[in-house]
Amino acid sequence: EAGVAQSPRYKIIEKRQSVAFWCNPISGHATLYWYQQILGQGPKLLIQFQNNGVVDDSQLPKDRFSAERLKGVDSTLKIQPAKLEDSAVYLCASSPWTGGYEQYFGPGTRLTVT
Amino acid sequence: DAKTTQPPSMDCAEGRAANLPCNHSTISGNEYVYWYRQIHSQGPQYIIHGLKNNETNEMASLIITEDRKSSTLILPHATLRDTAVYYCIVRVGAGSNTGKLIFGQGTTLQVKP
Repeated sequence: EAGVAQSPRYKIIEKRQSVAFWCNPISGHATLYWYQQILGQGPKLLIQFQNNGVVDDSQLPKDRFSAERLKGVDSTLKIQPAKLEDSAVYLCASSPWTGGYEQYFGPGTRLTVT
Repeated sequence: DAKTTQPPSMDCAEGRAANLPCNHSTISGNEYVYWYRQIHSQGPQYIIHGLKNNETNEMASLIITEDRKSSTLILPHATLRDTAVYYCIVRVGAGSNTGKLIFGQGTTLQVKP
């Protein structure tokens, strides 16, 4: 079974530029999560999708971050414009259903904003 | 905020059991204890979860105290590949609308040869 795929793995941009991350969850998984992990901290949930609907985006900085999950499969997370404090690893996870016991994480995208 | 307290770091000798403690004194009756680990440069990986009974799987054992205010994750024979950050998380179990995991700082386990 293929795992959660993310791309790119690494990205370096200058502040005020925009960037987008892509996630392909495990086939058939209805729930998709985006987490932000700042160096030295645990991951923090940004947004949770159930199929193509948003379940929880309370921690998403909506003035600069946006996410979509068209057709309830792949998802894209965008930052525009980026700030220095956005430097982090962005992790995508999926689970078969909301509240499912196990979340499967991708390898993450490491973003550096200079 | 995370609802758990873990020591920031621990060492363990290779081949010995690693016992990782976690305090969750404010846990609610419908909240489960989950353990994940994160090996360097990888995403977190699910290990085990439990409600009130002790649990065991191919990776680890989870011992939950009778009052459910603390638990211990046991890796019976630690190897160098078990070096990672281990996160103890409490969350409402399956069947709810709350799927998110709230990660704390975790415990960095260093397995030494």
